[in-house]
Amino acid sequence: GAVVSQHPSRVICKSGTSVKIECRSLDFQATTMFWYRQFPKQSLMLMATSNEGSKATYEQGVEKDKFLINHASLTLSTLTVTSAHPEDSSFYICSARFQGSLNYGYTFGSGTRLTVV
Amino acid sequence: QQPVQSPQAVILREGEDAVINCSSSKALYSVHWYRQKHGEAPIFLMILLKGGEQKGHDKISASFNEKKQQSSLYLTASQLSYSGTYFCGTVSGSARQLTFGSGTQLTVLP
Repeated sequence: GAVVSQHPSRVICKSGTSVKIECRSLDFQATTMFWYRQFPKQSLMLMATSNEGSKATYEQGVEKDKFLINHASLTLSTLTVTSAHPEDSSFYICSARFQGSLNYGYTFGSGTRLTVV
Repeated sequence: QQPVQSPQAVILREGEDAVINCSSSKALYSVHWYRQKHGEAPIFLMILLKGGEQKGHDKISASFNEKKQQSSLYLTASQLSYSGTYFCGTVSGSARQLTFGSGTQLTVLP
């Protein structure tokens, strides 16, 4: 249980274009999802917290107009990288917190490798 | 603020032991441990919810010293499959965001 599906797994786009990444919770409802970015050999850095039906909360230094987050339903959150530039090339991962009867935790999507050329 | 892990990297032979430390400047209410292989999502290892708690899974265990705001991960008789980057994580904020530590790259050689 508590599976999150993320698509696409890899995407290459041209500089200046936009890319949308989808994150779906398959067997549970996720009122909150988290988006992380990871550069090579670095830790996962939280970019934003996505809340179903309301605006996302962005971490300091993350441009909200560049990284558009939409969480229109309890099972889907999307991250759109607008006007992508080579420096946006990174590994993007979504996550959701789940609450079970015996435990709780965080489950992660498989990640999206974005390359901007 | 990001928890600090030490060491940054460790190389060991199959069968050897390793300890990874995680230290936070803020009060810790829980500590999560993950392992990540290159290009993949992090895999959950364990959560420690209370100070003094110790947990173990197979030959991987962890302890949580709430007063010192520290946690340690112990890998005993390491296997090749243990190679990867280990992250501790702390939870904060009203949305309970998970903040990852700086990471420790573990390499197990045959």
